[in-house]
Amino acid sequence: NAGVTQTPKFRVLKTGQSMTLLCAQDMNHEYMYWYRQDPGMGLRLIHYSVGEGTTAKGEVPDGYNVSRLKKQNFLLGLESAAPSQTSVYFCASSYRSGTGGNSGANVLTFGAGSRLTVL
Amino acid sequence: GDSVTQMEGPVTLSEEAFLTINCTYTATGYPSLFWYVQYPGEGLQLLLKATKADDKGSNKGFEATYRKETTSFHLEKGSVQVSDSAVYFCALSDGGSQGNLIFGKGTKLSVKP
Repeated sequence: NAGVTQTPKFRVLKTGQSMTLLCAQDMNHEYMYWYRQDPGMGLRLIHYSVGEGTTAKGEVPDGYNVSRLKKQNFLLGLESAAPSQTSVYFCASSYRSGTGGNSGANVLTFGAGSRLTVL
Repeated sequence: GDSVTQMEGPVTLSEEAFLTINCTYTATGYPSLFWYVQYPGEGLQLLLKATKADDKGSNKGFEATYRKETTSFHLEKGSVQVSDSAVYFCALSDGGSQGNLIFGKGTKLSVKP
């Protein structure tokens, strides 16, 4: 059982280039999330999805786009990368709140992260 | 809005020392509370959770009690090991429709032999 898989694990971009991060989960989770992790900032939510075909903005959505065409995949795109987007990106997934044996607690399963450097 | 505040690190302890990492929260309603751990080079893993006041979450020798009166969820372990070296995140979920977690900034723990 792979859980949550992120690709690529590392990427270096030049300012203005575009790229897509792929997140895949095999747990049949409804909810998926993209976070970024920066030193001293903890994790901040970029975008999320509560089901196939739906997406919504999180705390720091500017400069990013997402798509959830299939339930198991959640893509994060950068159309024109900027140095401020240098970060470690984490994807996570979960059951709907209150289901899947979580007793009302929404437990997230995280991927291993994707380190992006924008020069 | 909802928020989580945890003690800033880094925290350096000797093996077998007692560990406390403080976490307090601000939330409307009745959130669920979590501790996640991130080992070097890895993603976050759930360490323990509590869903209502006075609940105690426990796992791998770590414990935390949901204290509504002090809005706290402090992480404790009686005897740390070198393998516990990691970054620890306190988080809350308000149970809203988006299912998101709100994280503290993380506390880095280093345990020396």
